[in-house]
Amino acid sequence: NAGVTQTPKFRVLKTGQSMTLLCAQDMNHEYMYWYRQDPGMGLRLIHYSVGEGTTAKGEVPDGYNVSRLKKQNFLLGLESAAPSQTSVYFCASSGTGELFFGEGSRLTVL
Amino acid sequence: AQTVTQSQPEMSVQEAETVTLSCTYDTSESNYYLFWYKQPPSRQMILVIRQEAYKQQNATENRFSVNFQKAAKSFSLKISDSQLGDTAMYFCAFYRAFGNEKLTFGTGTRLTIIP
Repeated sequence: NAGVTQTPKFRVLKTGQSMTLLCAQDMNHEYMYWYRQDPGMGLRLIHYSVGEGTTAKGEVPDGYNVSRLKKQNFLLGLESAAPSQTSVYFCASSGTGELFFGEGSRLTVL
Repeated sequence: AQTVTQSQPEMSVQEAETVTLSCTYDTSESNYYLFWYKQPPSRQMILVIRQEAYKQQNATENRFSVNFQKAAKSFSLKISDSQLGDTAMYFCAFYRAFGNEKLTFGTGTRLTIIP
């Protein structure tokens, strides 16, 4: 069982470049989330979705966009990457109150 | 908005001893869940234990148990007979049960088990 899969696992970008992180889940969950993890700050919610075609802002949405065109996929986009977006990004999905996490994606912006 | 506070950034304990990690939260909700997640060096987020707010009985999972004090908004994790594999970051998290479901995390406690 794949669960929640994130791609890519690692990426290095230059300031101003764009990229998309893909999250895929095979558990038919309605809810999907993108978090970022920074030292000393825990995990902070960027954006989330409560169903196909819906998205909502979380705690730290600035500089990111998301889309949920298919129920199983949740995409996180950086249009113009900044060094402050260097972080580890986690995708998660939820069906009944428990979140299942992907393995994380380490993004470095130079 | 909900907030979760973990006041112990780092802890260490000898192998086989018992350790308690603290967590407090602030909410006006009555229906919610509380979780402890473990993050080992592999970076994977692993669910350790879950507590439903409506249940008075404290959750237990093998060597892991919680002390849930709803009125005090406290949710501590006790690890008994600690093992080297318990070395990890531990995150306390709050999940609102109905409407606008999302998980709010504390800042984490780095636990080191000393051989």
